[in-house]
Amino acid sequence: EPEVTQTPSHQVTQMGQEVILRCVPISNHLYFYWYRQILGQKVEFLVSFYNNEISEKSEIFDDQFSVERPDGSNFTLKIRSTKLEDSAMYFCASEKSGTRGTEAFFGQGTRLTVV
Amino acid sequence: GNSVTQMEGPVTLSEEAFLTINCTYTATGYPSLFWYVQYPGEGLQLLLKATKADDKGSNKGFEATYRKETTSFHLEKGSVQVSDSAVYFCALRDSTQGAQKLVFGQGTRLTINP
Repeated sequence: EPEVTQTPSHQVTQMGQEVILRCVPISNHLYFYWYRQILGQKVEFLVSFYNNEISEKSEIFDDQFSVERPDGSNFTLKIRSTKLEDSAMYFCASEKSGTRGTEAFFGQGTRLTVV
Repeated sequence: GNSVTQMEGPVTLSEEAFLTINCTYTATGYPSLFWYVQYPGEGLQLLLKATKADDKGSNKGFEATYRKETTSFHLEKGSVQVSDSAVYFCALRDSTQGAQKLVFGQGTRLTINP
């Protein structure tokens, strides 16, 4: 069964460093998302991406964040200068269409720890 | 704005007990409603969904009915198993077109003891 794959599963980085979280969505999907979950808190929307551009972003997704689909298969989230409060589980999701009843398929997540 | 409120956890039950996890929502339009489950060490998986009022979503013995009058989508299962231990997330999506985000509740951790 097709699945969304995220790498790495766990990343530890020093404050101020850049990190890139990688995702391989399901191959025939067109809509892509990043969510994050700070420990003990809600899963929060960060950004949606369609047709090679950002469709929507949350107020969390400030200038230190960027997304890219560089080669038609990978979907990456870059954090330019990490802060302690960026420590969270980051989930990538993809779906075939963006309609409200569509199932989003999630990866297993990347746990980012900023020290 | 749109929001989802879930029953506070953690919830601990014995095997074969009846389960209810409450979920209520606030939305400006006509949302679709979802329950996602996260088993230990895994990502979020869709458990069930309902796209309009009075629809019942069901899967693996779990059920939830879209109640517009009470803005609720409570998750129920008649007889839980140890393998149902996981974190359960209620979520909504409220839009008509384009790439639209899911809005999640805070999650409810369920532990089933043998």
